[in-house]
Amino acid sequence: DADVTQTPRNRITKTGKRIMLECSQTKGHDRMYWYRQDPGLGLRLIYYSFDVKDINKGEISDGYSVSRQAQAKFSLSLESAIPNQTALYFCATSDLTGGIGNEQFFGPGTRLTVL
Amino acid sequence: AQKVTQAQTEISVVEKEDVTLDCVYETRDTTYYLFWYKQPPSGELVFLIRRNSFDEQNEISGRYSWNFQKSTSSFNFTITASQVVDSAVYFCALSDLNYGQNFVFGPGTRLSVLP
Repeated sequence: DADVTQTPRNRITKTGKRIMLECSQTKGHDRMYWYRQDPGLGLRLIYYSFDVKDINKGEISDGYSVSRQAQAKFSLSLESAIPNQTALYFCATSDLTGGIGNEQFFGPGTRLTVL
Repeated sequence: AQKVTQAQTEISVVEKEDVTLDCVYETRDTTYYLFWYKQPPSGELVFLIRRNSFDEQNEISGRYSWNFQKSTSSFNFTITASQVVDSAVYFCALSDLNYGQNFVFGPGTRLSVLP
């Protein structure tokens, strides 16, 4: 089984709908992240969480919210989806020990299309 | 501010050619880490290498090698005798203390290896 899973893997929705993307991990990592990937822009950080009680905004948090339900679960919500939120979304995790030198482990991604 | 530049948007080579992917970074920190990730057509992100700012030795792993030069703020990636399976998008990323121990990704370089 994959260490970092994302559901759904693909989603098509309409403008104005509320959408939740879920991420679960079995790696036992404290840190979890949500990114979006757009062609030519790389991955940009939306939100991150260093533990269950710690939620931080990333570079592009407007229009998004998150919930850290447990150490292993980190959900991303689009309260009212708009077409420019069409993108590939990745969840990632990293270990707390070792600080900035730790690699991040990525889920398989969720392709979201907002019509 | 932290920034990662990958000036090559797309590169095409013929199988067995050598190819170098450029990565230039900006940071005010003296302690930082650099990473390379591979994103094959299937979409997942695969960790390739991590290098800390105090270790300027080049690294070789099979057909892959990395050249870290602090003097030019570059961390370039060379694939020797490229193969079709090397076709992917490659991302360079930076992690330092000033950005909350998060990653800043470059925009990626799409490598196409033609048979």
